[in-house]
Amino acid sequence: NAGVMQNPRHLVRRRGQEARLRCSPMKGHSHVYWYRQLPEEGLKFMVYLQKENIIDESGMPKERFSAEFPKEGPSILRIQQVVRGDSAAYFCASSPLAHLNTEAFFGQGTRLTVV
Amino acid sequence: GNSVTQMEGPVTLSEEAFLTINCTYTATGYPSLFWYVQYPGEGLQLLLKATKADDKGSNKGFEATYRKETTSFHLEKGSVQVSDSAVYFCALSDQSGGSNYKLTFGKGTLLTVNP
Repeated sequence: NAGVMQNPRHLVRRRGQEARLRCSPMKGHSHVYWYRQLPEEGLKFMVYLQKENIIDESGMPKERFSAEFPKEGPSILRIQQVVRGDSAAYFCASSPLAHLNTEAFFGQGTRLTVV
Repeated sequence: GNSVTQMEGPVTLSEEAFLTINCTYTATGYPSLFWYVQYPGEGLQLLLKATKADDKGSNKGFEATYRKETTSFHLEKGSVQVSDSAVYFCALSDQSGGSNYKLTFGKGTLLTVNP
């Protein structure tokens, strides 16, 4: 059973470009969570999605950021018109149920660098 | 709001030394507490957890006790190995308010164990 797969592992974008980060949850998991880790900070919750639904996006910046988890395919975190402050590690986690406590598994993360 | 404070690293120890990584928390409700570990090049893995006061979580020789009176969840291991070198994250999820899927993380502590 493959773990949570995130790609790319490293992504470099110039200011103003778009970044698309992908997350394939573990088989059988229909709940996906995105977290961001800024330099020298802990991971911060961004968004919680179920298939085709956004459940909680309270941690998402109001502009330029969006997330989706379509019926088929991976979850996508999209950042439009990236700025230097978006440089961070973005982690995805998945779980088979809504409760994260013991069943959540994290991916290796995508390191985004904006130059 | 909820927050987690853990001791700053990096921590460097010799093999077989005793390890303590301090973690304290602030929560509005009744949190569950976790330690996650991130080995080089890998995603975060759940190391241990405790869901109520005085619970002790343990795994792979690591232990942590949920101390409500001191709002702490310190990680300990009696004899570390080189293979324990990793980043350790303390985290909580608030069991009240319907958002127990949301983890609040500390900044992480880098542990390096030398042979």
